[in-house]
Amino acid sequence: AQTVTQSQPEMSVQEAETVTLSCTYDTSESDYYLFWYKQPPSRQMILVIRQEAYKQQNATENRFSVNFQKAAKSFSLKISDSQLGDAAMYFCAYRSAEVINAGNMLTFGGGTRLMVKP
Amino acid sequence: NAGVTQTPKFRILKIGQSMTLQCAQDMNHNYMYWYRQDPGMGLKLIYYSVGAGITDKGEVPNGYNVSRSTTEYFPLRLELAAPSQTSVYFCASSLTRGNQPQHFGDGTRLSIL
Repeated sequence: AQTVTQSQPEMSVQEAETVTLSCTYDTSESDYYLFWYKQPPSRQMILVIRQEAYKQQNATENRFSVNFQKAAKSFSLKISDSQLGDAAMYFCAYRSAEVINAGNMLTFGGGTRLMVKP
Repeated sequence: NAGVTQTPKFRILKIGQSMTLQCAQDMNHNYMYWYRQDPGMGLKLIYYSVGAGITDKGEVPNGYNVSRSTTEYFPLRLELAAPSQTSVYFCASSLTRGNQPQHFGDGTRLSIL
């Protein structure tokens, strides 16, 4: 079974600065997807960014980018030019792409609470 | 533009009562999921379905049941509510394969007293 670990329960960043959230995972599979989800106080789960394991290029979505290190099984999220609206819980998630894994369910880390200081 | 709709948003139950959490999606997704999120924790999978008539257990299925008679609906049933089932419940759906993300409902906050 896969596991996802987020070792930082809380992080804090000054508005307009950059912060990196860590995520490591454990798997024996070679084909999978990784996601970062944002959960603001409204409780919605909002997709921030996704990465396919077969792609060497790191995914980027505007101010959000990832550092994907497949050999190290690491998938960190970098938020540039942090804004007050970025304050939320952030969850890293793993999803198998193996054909044998019929459910393709997400395995979540425990989350990191990001606080943004004005 | 409904996406995944969950009802109710909040509910308080007494120990031993039963209830059904409703979930509907209008995106024609084959795959649907139920997760629970305990305070300060990540989401854990309760049950999932890969299509109408097919369901399977996730990581924490005890105390719950599901059914999937149509593509659109995936209700979650609590038969004998226990305090340990106090949690926020999320329903999600996704396309079958590829890097398509799961789309989540807004959650149901359930308290068992």
